[in-house]
Amino acid sequence: QVQLQESGPGLVTPSGTLSLTCAVSGDSIGRRSWWSWVRQSPGKGLEWIGQIRDDGDTSYTPSLRGRVTISVDKYKNQFSLTLRSVTAADTAVYYCSKHAGYNQGHWGQGTLVTVSS
Amino acid sequence: EIVLTQSPGTLSLSPGESATLSCRASQSVSSTYLAWYQQKPGQAPRLLIYGASNRAAGIPDRFSGSGSGTDFILTINRLEPEDFAVYYCQQYDNSPPTYTFGQGTKLEIK
Repeated sequence: QVQLQESGPGLVTPSGTLSLTCAVSGDSIGRRSWWSWVRQSPGKGLEWIGQIRDDGDTSYTPSLRGRVTISVDKYKNQFSLTLRSVTAADTAVYYCSKHAGYNQGHWGQGTLVTVSS
Repeated sequence: EIVLTQSPGTLSLSPGESATLSCRASQSVSSTYLAWYQQKPGQAPRLLIYGASNRAAGIPDRFSGSGSGTDFILTINRLEPEDFAVYYCQQYDNSPPTYTFGQGTKLEIK
């Protein structure tokens, strides 16, 4: 059974860069699967951020394109999220997930990132 | 960009009753690309339904999905106490590849 675990700083200063990593266990990231990041602002709904495949192919939500990069490290069996020029609006719980077809079948527990000085 | 609108925003029902949750798309969505998730407070979302009508592994058969085109329904029969949660629909658009979620329906105990 695949398990995903997000990690990274819980506090980021405004205009700084948010960096998170998702460690994958129980599965190999290099099996042509898609892996996503999804976030949820406090008390709000879910927002898909973007996805990556083991060959590095990516796609992103239009509203964040230009600020976001998702990368993969097959050797460490993990993938990462970088979000630049953050503001308070980027405060959210960030989830990593593994796709099962055209949906997110497996999720990490999520990690709260607060943007504040 | 396809927008998903869920209704109602909040649904108040009692255990044992049936719930009908709606997800309407701003343009036609392939059934293959429509999914439903359940989220409880403090937890990650859980996949319930994929391909509009297929239950994910371990999901009880009191959950069912239906619909096509722009209108999709999640039905929960014989509500159990653990079913009270927030439900989201999600669609995939392949040009360009993106996912969008509906705003959610909160199912609360009456």
